[in-house]
Amino acid sequence: KQEVTQIPAALSVPEGENLVLNCSFTDSAIYNLQWFRQDPGKGLTSLLLIQSSQREQTSGRLNASLDKSSGRSTLYIAASQPGDSATYLCAVSTGNTPLVFGKGTRLSVIA
Amino acid sequence: GAVVSQHPSWVICKSGTSVKIECRSLDFQATTMFWYRQFPKQSLMLMATSNEGSKATYEQGVEKDKFLINHASLTLSTLTVTSAHPEDSSFYICSARELRDSRRAGELFFGEGSRLTVL
Repeated sequence: KQEVTQIPAALSVPEGENLVLNCSFTDSAIYNLQWFRQDPGKGLTSLLLIQSSQREQTSGRLNASLDKSSGRSTLYIAASQPGDSATYLCAVSTGNTPLVFGKGTRLSVIA
Repeated sequence: GAVVSQHPSWVICKSGTSVKIECRSLDFQATTMFWYRQFPKQSLMLMATSNEGSKATYEQGVEKDKFLINHASLTLSTLTVTSAHPEDSSFYICSARELRDSRRAGELFFGEGSRLTVL
């Protein structure tokens, strides 16, 4: 059974700092991996999708990497801003199946 | 990007009543939609997989007679919480998969969620 773990559970950083969020999964036979952002009381916003054949994806200040063999992904946020404060969720898919989610990392960027 | 819309955003109902939540894919066709629930400060828990034109597949522990799912078209799935009780109060989120755009193959898009409060 696929399990997804995110570390740390919570993170607080000063504005402008670069940061890394970690995600690990137990079954490396994944189809893709997605990073989401969730604001309090809101749905999910897809940030980056990495297919199993890819090693990284970039969107603006965000960069996500994937090391399938070791079961790890990282989300790198450059020059963090208070507006980046949210919960970041990592999720993996093993095909045309539902995503398996981690518990998320709650990020606070302090102005 | 693809948009998934949920309605209502929030609903308050009395115990014993039924509540219907709609999930629509606005700019793409979704043969498969997923329904999740999320308790406060917890991650999403998959409830069921909704397939257009066929019966939904429920996860273990989810009562199919209580959480009725109908996926009547390629753009609409509904979740009906029947005879709701306070313990059903939760945040319900749907998602749909974009299949036709190969650049986003397998990517899931989520609705804004529906907060249900049962008094």
